Amino acid sequence: GIQVEQSPPDLILQEGANSTLRCNFSDSVNNLQWFHQNPWGQLINLFYIPSGTKQNGRLSATTVATERYSLLYISSSQTTDSGVYFCAVGSDKLIFGTGTRLQVFP
Amino acid sequence: GAGVSQSPSNKVTEKGKDVELRCDPISGHTALYWYRQSLGQGLEFLIYFQGNSAPDKSGLPSDRFSAERTGGSVSTLTIQRTQQEDSAVYLCASRPAGRVDTQYFGPGTRLTVL
Repeated sequence: GIQVEQSPPDLILQEGANSTLRCNFSDSVNNLQWFHQNPWGQLINLFYIPSGTKQNGRLSATTVATERYSLLYISSSQTTDSGVYFCAVGSDKLIFGTGTRLQVFP
Repeated sequence: GAGVSQSPSNKVTEKGKDVELRCDPISGHTALYWYRQSLGQGLEFLIYFQGNSAPDKSGLPSDRFSAERTGGSVSTLTIQRTQQEDSAVYLCASRPAGRVDTQYFGPGTRLTVL
């Protein structure tokens, strides 16, 4: 089956810093989403981005489907950005990546 | 409106006992999903219900796991003869018909098998 790998596995930032999270997938996909899991375990969808670029406030995402990767950019990070970021592929049976744990310190 | 709710939030059981986990999807959502999140395996798909169609059970790890969805709404995930490796957070998600751009997740049930 399709493999979804994320990097880096862990990221520690000071408030205000920018970061880039990467998601690589082993086969072509029609759907890709980014999720944030907060420290209390709640998963929230950030982007649906099978291709192209989208922006939402301080977050933006880009998927290059032909090269099988997606990037999530976080600018001017805040402590509330802490948590685990997952990419997931598939339309119903989501296949989640390995996750990037982000810690933002004041 | 109300989101996906799950109960109980925490469940501690002894090895060999049966457990039932409940999911109340968002009203009107036709698709319902169960996932499991464990340290060793990450986030894994378990089972998927879509309307009146037969469920997709391809992610269930063993025949000790089963799930039902009654009246197209509430779902129950049952684990029989629990084992320590079943310890995990069980997440439920739902989405409305025709939408493929997201799934709405509940807060999860943390299951600990002693």
